Amino acid sequence: GEDVEQSLFLSVREGDSSVINCTYTDSSSTYLYWYKQEPGAGLQLLTYIFSNMDMKQDQRLTVLLNKKDKHLSLRIADTQTGDSAIYFCAESLPNAGNMLTFGGGTRLMVKP
Amino acid sequence: NAGVMQNPRHLVRRRGQEARLRCSPMKGHSHVYWYRQLPEEGLKFMVYLQKENIIDESGMPKERFSAEFPKEGPSILRIQQVVRGDSAAYFCASSLQGTISYEQYFGPGTRLTVT
Repeated sequence: GEDVEQSLFLSVREGDSSVINCTYTDSSSTYLYWYKQEPGAGLQLLTYIFSNMDMKQDQRLTVLLNKKDKHLSLRIADTQTGDSAIYFCAESLPNAGNMLTFGGGTRLMVKP
Repeated sequence: NAGVMQNPRHLVRRRGQEARLRCSPMKGHSHVYWYRQLPEEGLKFMVYLQKENIIDESGMPKERFSAEFPKEGPSILRIQQVVRGDSAAYFCASSLQGTISYEQYFGPGTRLTVT
């Protein structure tokens, strides 16, 4: 199976919070990342968390990491229509050089 | 400071032709990575290069695909004798140092369509 898994789709109303979840299989991950991809565009790094942390907050974004369950989440507070995009989680491994392993992406749709 | 540049943005090739994708890293970056995104999927690592060296090509198909990053000029991903299954978005990323992954900056991608 895939090393990094995400649900395919999430729909929320504008102003609500969005929570996008991700699970990974390799407990030796060093960094875990969240990227945003808008239609027809490249990937924009939103935030990342080092594997010895369990939470990181950056303005409207909160990342939670549960190493025991190998579960990563991204919470977007006060979701706006401009947040509609595909969100990818990714991991880097200590012995895999610098390559990133991505999940399949979660398409977030924000309804006005 | 311009970001990572890729060209062309869109490329259409017939089956059997060659595709050449170019990536100019951010100024001062000497590490380049290529990823492929098939429709409705996440990105898959293909190859990691430094100037004049291939560091890791574990994600590259064994045949028809090659990559280079010469001392001067952009990195090139070359696909020979393209097939319909090569249709995808190809993304390049660059980093200043090869040790901390969060420093990878992505280009806008080249969308290859094989007819």
